[in-house]
Amino acid sequence: SQQGEEDPQALSIQEGENATMNCSYKTSINNLQWYRQNSGRGLVHLILIRSNEREKHSGRLRVTLDTSKKSSSLLITASRAADTASYFCATDGGGATNKLIFGTGTLLAVQP
Amino acid sequence: DAGVIQSPRHEVTEMGQEVTLRCKPISGHDYLFWYRQTMMRGLELLIYFNNNVPIDDSGMPEDRFSAKMPNASFSTLKIQPSEPRDSAVYFCASSFIGGVTEAFFGQGTRLTVV
Repeated sequence: SQQGEEDPQALSIQEGENATMNCSYKTSINNLQWYRQNSGRGLVHLILIRSNEREKHSGRLRVTLDTSKKSSSLLITASRAADTASYFCATDGGGATNKLIFGTGTLLAVQP
Repeated sequence: DAGVIQSPRHEVTEMGQEVTLRCKPISGHDYLFWYRQTMMRGLELLIYFNNNVPIDDSGMPEDRFSAKMPNASFSTLKIQPSEPRDSAVYFCASSFIGGVTEAFFGQGTRLTVV
């Protein structure tokens, strides 16, 4: 089963533009993570935001979290062709489960 | 550390055969996750272990699937007998403290059942 859904499913932008991806989830959480997957490769961790945080930055990445709406967004600023990949949000399912459940992903294409 | 290591990278097998996928987690990580990725279903959590003990196997699709973790440095996912609908990419990931810390993924095993 999947915890979350990403929106949009696919996004195509020009190099230099910003890309925003949204994630909605179903249960309470302790934290939410974002991962990136290049075609044919394993997932790579980007950033983790805890349930008591509202915003977090890492380089060109900005993540927001709204636990009241059970949603998060990932913003990539000044996108590059190398940012082309699929992006997934993941949650721990809340409580003490410590599982890691992924959303459906957003396929981002950055045109040079 | 070399990261999470999965083998084989590719596996092609005939329907009905037994398939064994292998994973070596990062040393010191207490949690190990097995996932299956397909276009139709996305990335599904099959089972996860904590300190070599299976915690939640509710994602295992059928009794044909089984997973073991005999020690902290090795895990297997077995499909017996395999079916064409099992064709997918199977990922193994490990982390220090489950879903509350960063998980590290292997490169995956692409399984094709013909």
